[in-house]
Amino acid sequence: GDSVTQMEGPVTLSEEAFLTINCTYTATGYPSLFWYVQYPGEGLQLLLKATKADDKGSNKGFEATYRKETTSFHLEKGSVQVSDSAVYFCALGSGGYQKVTFGTGTKLQVIP
Amino acid sequence: GAVVSQHPSRVICKSGTSVKIECRSLDFQATTMFWYRQFPKQSLMLMATSNEGSKATYEQGVEKDKFLINHASLTLSTLTVTSAHPEDSSFYICSALTGGAGANVLTFGAGSRLTVL
Repeated sequence: GDSVTQMEGPVTLSEEAFLTINCTYTATGYPSLFWYVQYPGEGLQLLLKATKADDKGSNKGFEATYRKETTSFHLEKGSVQVSDSAVYFCALGSGGYQKVTFGTGTKLQVIP
Repeated sequence: GAVVSQHPSRVICKSGTSVKIECRSLDFQATTMFWYRQFPKQSLMLMATSNEGSKATYEQGVEKDKFLINHASLTLSTLTVTSAHPEDSSFYICSALTGGAGANVLTFGAGSRLTVL
C-alpha cells in the first residue's frame, strides 16, 4: 500500500538557517504530493503541493520538488524564522485524492 | 479560500458520556468529509470517510458503533464519541475535499481536543 516516510524530529535550527526535511514515498500509480503544517494547538494547513513529476510546489519561502526517480518530496527553506516553528507533515494523495496518506510529522523548532 | 469550521475546539467530559463534534464547510458544499484521529507525537490516522446522504465508510479497526458519523447535509458532518472512556482522549480533526477537478486538496478543520476524565 501507499506509505510516506519522513525524517524524525525534532529539528532545532537557529533563525535564518537553511532547512531541509526529507520525505520519501511509496505508491502505485501517480500520486499527488503535499506538505501540511500544523502550528501548536491548531489543525493542519496545506503548505504546498505538486501534482506530477518534476513539479515544484512553493509557498511562504518553502519549496519542494516532486522527484519520481528518487520517490522524494523534500521540503526546503533558505532562511527559517521563529514563526516557522511547527510540525510539518508530508503526505500523498491517490485515487482522486480521496485517500491521503500522511507521514509521521517532523517537529521544527527555530530559536532566535 | 475554503474554510472548514470545527466545533468545539476543546471538550472535557466524564467517562461514560457521549460527545458530539461538528465539522462544517463554510461557503462551499462538501459531499465528502474525512475524520482523523491524531495521537500525541504521531501522525493522523484516518478513521472514516463521511459521505453526504449515505453511511460512513470506516477504516479497519475503527469501531463504527463507538464513533458515530452523520453527514446529513452538504455542509455538516458530525462525529459522536459514544460512551467515551479515557483511552478515547485524543485530537480529532475533520477535513473536506475542496477544489475543482484535478485540483482536489484537503482543507482541515482546526481540530477538537477531547479529554475524557
